[in-house]
Amino acid sequence: KAGVTQTPRYLIKTRGQQVTLSCSPISGHRSVSWYQQTPGQGLQFLFEYFSETQRNKGNFPGRFSGRQFSNSRSEMNVSTLELGDSALYLCASSLQGALGQPQHFGDGTRLSIL
Amino acid sequence: DQQVKQNSPSLSVQEGRISILNCDYTNSMFDYFLWYKKYPAEGPTFLISISSIKDKNEDGRFTVFLNKSAKHLSLHIVPSQPGDSAVYFCAAILTSGTYKYIFGTGTRLKVLA
Repeated sequence: KAGVTQTPRYLIKTRGQQVTLSCSPISGHRSVSWYQQTPGQGLQFLFEYFSETQRNKGNFPGRFSGRQFSNSRSEMNVSTLELGDSALYLCASSLQGALGQPQHFGDGTRLSIL
Repeated sequence: DQQVKQNSPSLSVQEGRISILNCDYTNSMFDYFLWYKKYPAEGPTFLISISSIKDKNEDGRFTVFLNKSAKHLSLHIVPSQPGDSAVYFCAAILTSGTYKYIFGTGTRLKVLA
């Protein structure tokens, strides 16, 4: 069974640009969550999508947005990039996102802002 | 304000012995707690979870203990194996009011052969 796939694995952008990251969940999984990992802040929850709707949201500015398609694939968009957005962005999927249900993580997209 | 803390950044344990990883939290309203393991260049892997209404959950070599009065969570690995060497994260979920899913900063476990 294929795992969670994130593309691209590495990305370099400059300040002010925008970026779109992609996540393909495990087949049959309907919940997709996004996280940001930085050395200073650790792992932080961005948002969760379920059945094409944002169900939960973390404490990030509106520059961070996402969407989910009917096949459960998800994209995350960051606009007006700042140096502090340099991080590893992780996507995780689970069957329904129920409490305590195991989340399966992808290997992440490492975004570097110059 | 770090609501979920792992105060030990690293831990070394001899193979075959018990590894105890600790996690403290500040919000008594958290509903669920989870532990993840992370190897370098890979995403975290779910290990075990516990509901706030329980005080213990066991899965093979992994046991999670929850002490609500102390707001303390621990993961026991027995016996420890070299393949357990990784960074371990605890996480807490709050579903009432504003949804929160908060990770600790991680503890690097090294199991010595």
